[in-house]
Amino acid sequence: KAGVTQTPRYLIKTRGQQVTLSCSPISGHRSVSWYQQTPGQGLQFLFEYFSETQRNKGNFPGRFSGRQFSNSRSEMNVSTLELGDSALYLCASRRTTAREGYNEQFFGPGTRLTVL
Amino acid sequence: LAKTTQPISMDSYEGQEVNITCSHNNIATNDYITWYQQFPSQGPRFIIQGYKTKVTNEVASLFIPADRKSSTLSLPRVSLSDTAVYYCLVGDTGRRALTFGSGTRLQVQP
Repeated sequence: KAGVTQTPRYLIKTRGQQVTLSCSPISGHRSVSWYQQTPGQGLQFLFEYFSETQRNKGNFPGRFSGRQFSNSRSEMNVSTLELGDSALYLCASRRTTAREGYNEQFFGPGTRLTVL
Repeated sequence: LAKTTQPISMDSYEGQEVNITCSHNNIATNDYITWYQQFPSQGPRFIIQGYKTKVTNEVASLFIPADRKSSTLSLPRVSLSDTAVYYCLVGDTGRRALTFGSGTRLQVQP
């Protein structure tokens, strides 16, 4: 079974630009979460999507947004990039079922974003 | 969400057993305890998950006392390739994504 894939793997942008990152979850997984990882702040939760709806959100400004499509693929967008947005952006998927027991998260390799 | 506290770093030698303890004093009834491993520039990888007592799989054991206010990840006979950051997470049912703490940076030396 293919794992979580993220594109692109590396990205260089300049301040003020916007960027869109893509995540394809494992087949059958309906939940996609996004995390930002920086050396100073560690792994921080951005948001989670389930069935095309955002159902959890971390403490990030409105410049960070996301969406999920009917095939569970997800994109996140960062507008008006700042130097501090340079980070590894990780996507994770999990199955979730109607019984809502805990489900293991599977992470993708991440997208390394550098803002100059 | 239950907050977790774990040591920032640990050192060990190849072949030794490593125990990493995590404190989670305000764990809730529905919370599970999960450990992830992360290598540099890679996404975290699930190691083990438990609710109470002891859980063992092919890579690790997880010990959870009766009060569930702490847990210990045990890695038997570590090797150099076990050098990584280990995260302890506590989460409720699958309705909520998990919050990662600072993690424990394990350095295994020859």
